[in-house]
Amino acid sequence: RKEVEQDPGPFNVPEGATVAFNCTYSNSASQSFFWYRQDCRKEPKLLMSVYSSGNEDGRFTAQLNRASQYISLLIRDSKLSDSATYLCVVLDRGSTLGRLYFGRGTQLTVWP
Amino acid sequence: DTEVTQTPKHLVMGMTNKKSLKCEQHMGHRAMYWYKQKAKKPPELMFVYSYEKLSINESVPSRFSPECPNSSLLNLHLHALQPEDSALYLCASSDSSGGKETQYFGPGTRLLVL
Repeated sequence: RKEVEQDPGPFNVPEGATVAFNCTYSNSASQSFFWYRQDCRKEPKLLMSVYSSGNEDGRFTAQLNRASQYISLLIRDSKLSDSATYLCVVLDRGSTLGRLYFGRGTQLTVWP
Repeated sequence: DTEVTQTPKHLVMGMTNKKSLKCEQHMGHRAMYWYKQKAKKPPELMFVYSYEKLSINESVPSRFSPECPNSSLLNLHLHALQPEDSALYLCASSDSSGGKETQYFGPGTRLLVL
């Protein structure tokens, strides 16, 4: 069983749409959670960390449900520039340092 | 500043060549990472250095040899690679501020092995 499961999509939505991505993780002891964004042929860039209380950054809202081991990302009022692959990422911390586990990524295309 | 730099941006090498990838960060991060990423796949961890010591080697073939000369630099020495080693090689670094250990990635080196 994969550490992080994520719907690969693709999601194709019109500008202005609201789109939601979901992700589940298998290790209940996982400690930190992130969404990264990766544009084609570029490196992953941190979009936002995810907290149990939920957090919002402009049009982006992330939620974490530890009981269900479930993470979500909501994008409101989609822009063309939101087109990218969104990686759900979980940090498991060993005795000395943490290690990231990546979902396979969800591809989003926003069309005009 | 959350910048990780990598050189070169692109590299083409033959199977008998020896080359090195370089990574640098000046954020005072104590952990540095090498990842390999194939098209349409997530990054795969290769090596982790913590306080300049190799902490994790994900059973990477010996034709890949990491080196951490100091706390700001990370190298990946390549020798006798195979065409299937062609990929994007990403360097990352992290701090552990607040226990969150956010990792920041460099732009990567796109490697083609002929």
